[in-house]
Amino acid sequence: EAGVAQSPRYKIIEKRQSVAFWCNPISGHATLYWYQQILGQGPKLLIQFQNNGVVDDSQLPKDRFSAERLKGVDSTLKIQPAKLEDSAVYLCASSRGGTAKNIQYFGAGTRLSVL
Amino acid sequence: QQPVQSPQAVILREGEDAVINCSSSKALYSVHWYRQKHGEAPVFLMILLKGGEQKGHEKISASFNEKKQQSSLYLTASQLSYSGTYFCGTETFNQAGTALIFGKGTTLSVSS
Repeated sequence: EAGVAQSPRYKIIEKRQSVAFWCNPISGHATLYWYQQILGQGPKLLIQFQNNGVVDDSQLPKDRFSAERLKGVDSTLKIQPAKLEDSAVYLCASSRGGTAKNIQYFGAGTRLSVL
Repeated sequence: QQPVQSPQAVILREGEDAVINCSSSKALYSVHWYRQKHGEAPVFLMILLKGGEQKGHEKISASFNEKKQQSSLYLTASQLSYSGTYFCGTETFNQAGTALIFGKGTTLSVSS
């Protein structure tokens, strides 16, 4: 079974530029998550999708971050404009959904450096 | 509401044992444990659903005390491959159903 795919692996941009990340979850997984992981910290949830609907975006800085999951499969996360403090690894995870043994599987992440 | 992990770092020699603790101030539905090696994705180790439940995978096991809102990860006879950062994720109820909140991690270094 193929895992969660993310691209690009690395991205370097200057502050105030825009950037987009792509995620393809495990086939059949209804729930998709985007996390931000700052160096030395645990992953922090930004947004959670159930199929193509948003179920939790309470921690997403909506003035600069946006995300969509068209057709309930692939997802993109965008930052516009980027700030220095956005430098982090952005992880995508997926799960089957439901509340019993809802195991999340992570992609390798995109490492973003904002200069 | 972020769970607290202790210790922050552990240094071991091959064959030694370690315990990593995770505690939460909120009532928990479950606890998930992950291991992340540098530059790689977090890898799922195990999930604990019930109070007092214990699970194991080879020489890595864990317990979950629902009443105390605590979980512990036990690594016995450590191997070089155990090196990495271990995260506990505590699952609590929210508007979306449940949410996983990760601790800051415990870095484990195993040397020969």
